[in-house]
Amino acid sequence: DGGITQSPKYLFRKEGQNVTLSCEQNLNHDAMYWYRQDPGQGLRLIYYSQIVNDFQKGDIAEGYSVSREKKESFPLTVTSAQKNPTAFYLCASSRGQGSYEQYFGPGTRLTVT
Amino acid sequence: QKEVEQNSGPLSVPEGAIASLNCTYSDRGSQSFFWYRQYSGKSPELIMFIYSNGDKEDGRFTAQLNKASQYVSLLIRDSQPSDSATYLCAVKAGSARQLTFGSGTQLTVLP
Repeated sequence: DGGITQSPKYLFRKEGQNVTLSCEQNLNHDAMYWYRQDPGQGLRLIYYSQIVNDFQKGDIAEGYSVSREKKESFPLTVTSAQKNPTAFYLCASSRGQGSYEQYFGPGTRLTVT
Repeated sequence: QKEVEQNSGPLSVPEGAIASLNCTYSDRGSQSFFWYRQYSGKSPELIMFIYSNGDKEDGRFTAQLNKASQYVSLLIRDSQPSDSATYLCAVKAGSARQLTFGSGTQLTVLP
């Protein structure tokens, strides 16, 4: 089955700890994205990558870091510098090359206490 | 002014009626427009996209684009309770390489 997987589905961490969220896709898509969604809110772009070994900051990149070492994988690290990390994190991918339809993974719900 | 605006709702329609969801955008150079459906607690699912002025139909869904007036609409015919969800509008602005999402409209279809 082609698709996007995110793990884990739920994640609990103590304040001050870094945490890495996984995102993998087997759609052969060039572009990948990370969004954050807070209750009752829309999606806010954290980082995106159009190609391997290259990525750009989105609207709310502070306190987050990413890497894109493989086409299939785009992990997001939520660092201790992120002031309000509790949120629903969504990974998406698109074919790129002029195609902008994004397809989403199931999401990771992160709770930091 | 927000780049992509949607009425937050909630919008309630009776089962079998037409639900009309609207979205306006600020960048006149926007090229591509998308509608996503998001059930509570789940991730967004792409249901329609439209690039050209006019209507695009897919089953019970119709997307309408009017670039002169800078709005895009989604019509859901014969609404079902299973259509109850939040609908997100997304726009690719002219020079951008990513989408900008509206905050969504919550739709409830009453049995």
